[in-house]
Amino acid sequence: DTEVTQTPKHLVMGMTNKKSLKCEQHMGHRAMYWYKQKAKKPPELMFVYSYEKLSINESVPSRFSPECPNSSLLNLHLHALQPEDSALYLCASSQEFSPLHFGNGTRLTVT
Amino acid sequence: GEDVEQSLFLSVREGDSSVINCTYTDSSSTYLYWYKQEPGAGLQLLTYIFSNMDMKQDQRLTVLLNKKDKHLSLRIADTQTGDSAIYFCADYTGGFKTIFGAGTRLFVKA
Repeated sequence: DTEVTQTPKHLVMGMTNKKSLKCEQHMGHRAMYWYKQKAKKPPELMFVYSYEKLSINESVPSRFSPECPNSSLLNLHLHALQPEDSALYLCASSQEFSPLHFGNGTRLTVT
Repeated sequence: GEDVEQSLFLSVREGDSSVINCTYTDSSSTYLYWYKQEPGAGLQLLTYIFSNMDMKQDQRLTVLLNKKDKHLSLRIADTQTGDSAIYFCADYTGGFKTIFGAGTRLFVKA
């Protein structure tokens, strides 16, 4: 069982929809991450929150909007996505200088 | 920028040992990781090694690190069909950034 929980597991949305991905961890980790993974590729870093503040934004388009309501929760708000945004979105958490712990991801399809 | 490279495919017979190789460019690596990804799942941390170590063994897994050549390997003893997955080598470069290799797809033939 993963200690990082992501919901939903699957999401299909149209290009005009607004949806949100959710992530929760209870390991006391102070850093939380969003990664995007296309098929047969490694994960690509999107955002990092450290102590609930946005530390890294890897030049992600504004149609992706992260939010960290508290130290255990991380959201990714989606709006006006494109079909090429279809991917597996992975949440991870860690302490600094410690391994990443990943959730099982949300499989997103944009139609 | 820093880079991590690994071969894309490996095929072994059940019961044999598997060796997955990785090279990295970061001279100041502190941690190197191996992750496993099964279909439809996230990445599972298998093991990791500090840069001041040469070897780490954990049950069927052996990690060897040659820091001079910047070469990392993962050996899986007595490989089983359940080991079929994608294995990612990863280098923690600091500042919350981890560089992943492209992943090695391991096929285990019964």
